[in-house]
Amino acid sequence: GAGVSQSPRYKVAKRGQDVALRCDPISGHVSLFWYQQALGQGPEFLTYFQNEAQLDKSGLPSDRFFAERPEGSVSTLKIQRTQQEDSAVYLCASSLQGGRSTDTQYFGPGTRLTVL
Amino acid sequence: GDSVTQMEGPVTLSEEAFLTINCTYTATGYPSLFWYVQYPGEGLQLLLKATKADDKGSNKGFEATYRKETTSFHLEKGSVQVSDSAVYFCALQGGGFKTIFGAGTRLFVKA
Repeated sequence: GAGVSQSPRYKVAKRGQDVALRCDPISGHVSLFWYQQALGQGPEFLTYFQNEAQLDKSGLPSDRFFAERPEGSVSTLKIQRTQQEDSAVYLCASSLQGGRSTDTQYFGPGTRLTVL
Repeated sequence: GDSVTQMEGPVTLSEEAFLTINCTYTATGYPSLFWYVQYPGEGLQLLLKATKADDKGSNKGFEATYRKETTSFHLEKGSVQVSDSAVYFCALQGGGFKTIFGAGTRLFVKA
């Protein structure tokens, strides 16, 4: 079946612009994660959804970052007033189970955001 | 807070050589440990995992053993192939929802 998809794959924004990044998880997956991966680094946790509920947003770097998953499937990560330090690859992952399980996370290809 | 430290790369090996990529962690409690791999042009994927002390995770000829006494989860493979060239990430998940990743180790395997 289809894996996790993300769009757009590449996004160039001017500093100060707002951007929206989309994630389509695997159908039926309860858990959805967002990560930020800077060049040459490992992914860093941003936020976690169990269905439509955002249970952990402790990794969001500032209040310019906002994520939602209103119907418990597709999720959007929005970044307002983008800054150069927001340039990174944004990864989405989903897993079948919810809660604190160590269920396998399936990653999307990522969206590479470049802020000029 | 919880953290993962893995050996810096790149690591360059000849085909059929033995591979070790070191990973150590700091965590409260008893985390689950993972190795993820990112092949060129592909997304991150789980390679293997271990959920409790002394467990051995294995997949595709790779192995790693959860060593609580040394807080380590080193990745090993007896004979690497060119197709193993990728970036390898060690990671842990503690009691919450976060997965914490190391910085990654790039492996090049020469024919």
